[in-house]
Amino acid sequence: GESVGLHLPTLSVQEGDNSIINCAYSNSASDYFIWYKQESGKGPQFIIDIRSNMDKRQGQRVTVLLNKTVKHLSLQIAATQPGDSAVYFCAESRGNTPLVFGKGTRLSVIA
Amino acid sequence: SAVISQKPSRDICQRGTSLTIQCQVDSQVTMMFWYRQQPGQSLTLIATANQGSEATYESGFVIDKFPISRPNLTFSTLTVSNMSPEDSSIYLCSSGRGNEQFFGPGTRLTVL
Repeated sequence: GESVGLHLPTLSVQEGDNSIINCAYSNSASDYFIWYKQESGKGPQFIIDIRSNMDKRQGQRVTVLLNKTVKHLSLQIAATQPGDSAVYFCAESRGNTPLVFGKGTRLSVIA
Repeated sequence: SAVISQKPSRDICQRGTSLTIQCQVDSQVTMMFWYRQQPGQSLTLIATANQGSEATYESGFVIDKFPISRPNLTFSTLTVSNMSPEDSSIYLCSSGRGNEQFFGPGTRLTVL
């Protein structure tokens, strides 16, 4: 099927290694952040979120780090698997405003 | 999480025609959102649709081009009017509770 993110930056990682995907957000007033995974031909899928009163949150094989000083968000994926290959987007919001999405990064897992 | 479905999943349309995309959520939600994702790009918010009120459009999007309906708490439609090839894109419906937003599978539109 047609792929999204054809012109996005790509991160290539060996299977089993850890992946780190970075995102710079724009609004210093944003207080909520989400990482989404989008596979080809599908809508974005929620991975993990974090609020601005935290600087780290862990899920299953994923960790999100938030650095408000430099407006930077990162997603760490442990023991990357071929099924992790997708485009990853960060998104931010403030209060109940709709999410604003970052540019996205394509993760390519090399078996 | 909410389960969101969209119809059609894809379509190929002639320029100058209009297409209405339907979005159905499996539970009642206050806010629904419509996004556009152009090829190789990120998601851009078109409008926010609340039941019982006019949709709120983002800068660069107007009601005449993208009319939206929100007749109840589980359903919304987005119409892409008087289409041109520049409207070729994926159109995504989203809803959620609080900050969390969940997305439908998208409608892949190609305008010839």
